[in-house]
Amino acid sequence: DQQVKQNSPSLSVQEGRISILNCDYTNSMFDYFLWYKKYPAEGPTFLISISSIKDKNEDGRFTVFLNKSAKHLSLHIVPSQPGDSAVYFCAASSLTGNQFYFGTGTSLTVIP
Amino acid sequence: NAGVMQNPRHLVRRRGQEARLRCSPMKGHSHVYWYRQLPEEGLKFMVYLQKENIIDESGMPKERFSAEFPKEGPSILRIQQVVRGDSAAYFCASSPQGSGTYNEQFFGPGTRLTVL
Repeated sequence: DQQVKQNSPSLSVQEGRISILNCDYTNSMFDYFLWYKKYPAEGPTFLISISSIKDKNEDGRFTVFLNKSAKHLSLHIVPSQPGDSAVYFCAASSLTGNQFYFGTGTSLTVIP
Repeated sequence: NAGVMQNPRHLVRRRGQEARLRCSPMKGHSHVYWYRQLPEEGLKFMVYLQKENIIDESGMPKERFSAEFPKEGPSILRIQQVVRGDSAAYFCASSPQGSGTYNEQFFGPGTRLTVL
């Protein structure tokens, strides 16, 4: 049972444009959400997080939006750079939980 | 401050052999998590440990898999009598605190297990 879903396996964006990666979840107990970035043959690297008391969190070029009623979050990257090309995983957890639930990832390609 | 260390990075085993995967958490982190990533899938939680304690093993297969995090030394994920379906990337993560706080988990580079 996939509790966190990333329905777009891949995304291509021109350098300088906005990249929007989407994530949906089903468990209403989730209250902490994260985005990880992963390069081939490396482990996931933490990018940005948001707790359910917020609907937006910004860190430089990266902004995460949370829509609790729709059980949806998105990651915006502006402006996109070729070095952003990687697989992006959405993850969710609860304050009382012990694990992160990961989506299947979206492979982002930023075209120079 | 070194990150999460995992070794070996690549491990090849024949069916029926044992696989031992090691993980050293970040300095100051006492919470360790193991995840498995099968091809074309996301990371799936296996087990959560603190020093000398298994806190949550709800994601571990009931047979052949075990994990430990001794007082001294790295955390070990052990797979006995490996089968081809065990071929995957195994990631270890650590955090300074466990459940009850909001904090990210820091991941190691993973061990890619191939079962022939």
